[in-house]
Amino acid sequence: AQSVTQLGSHVSVSEGALVLLRCNYSSSVPPYLFWYVQYPNQGLQLLLKYTTGATLVKGINGFEAEFKKSETSFHLTKPSAHMSDAAEYFCAVSGVGSGNTGKLIFGQGTTLQVKP
Amino acid sequence: EAGVAQSPRYKIIEKRQSVAFWCNPISGHATLYWYQQILGQGPKLLIQFQNNGVVDDSQLPKDRFSAERLKGVDSTLKIQPAKLEDSAVYLCASSLGLGLIDTQYFGPGTRLTVL
Repeated sequence: AQSVTQLGSHVSVSEGALVLLRCNYSSSVPPYLFWYVQYPNQGLQLLLKYTTGATLVKGINGFEAEFKKSETSFHLTKPSAHMSDAAEYFCAVSGVGSGNTGKLIFGQGTTLQVKP
Repeated sequence: EAGVAQSPRYKIIEKRQSVAFWCNPISGHATLYWYQQILGQGPKLLIQFQNNGVVDDSQLPKDRFSAERLKGVDSTLKIQPAKLEDSAVYLCASSLGLGLIDTQYFGPGTRLTVL
């Protein structure tokens, strides 16, 4: 069965610093990979997704993620953090292991704090 | 384009009471999902519909939870009777198709507190 592990439930960075949120998945078949962001009292919003092709994926708000099959990772980065990036971030997978239904399997989330 | 609508936004009930949540997906979206998000955890799929048929309800506690999607549009999720461990945010999402890469669009959720 597929699973997703996000390393670090809380990450704190200074404004302007690099943001790195880690995500590893377990799957015998490379899945499709997603990053969602959740602001307080709001639903989840898609940041970016990897399906096929280029392994470096660019998303909204300056975020990007790189699919590394050899490391079974899909870490999310942003070169320079902004105060408005403070939110909870979820990594998710879908694919063969989830029954081919489009069902998303989420990690437990990482709360990003941005300090002025 | 209007997003996914959910109501109510907040609900407080006592254990053993019943509660219902409503979801209106984005117009034209065939697939509708209900997720349960317990505090400190990622969302977990409860049930998935394509049009008005159930695709996956393997993680729905069927002894107390039920859901329907009449006419393939709106959906309701019901809990009867509620337990303390049902306290969570219930998220509704919709996608255009059933593809593995289709983007799911989420509503704001209903926060349920069971006392």
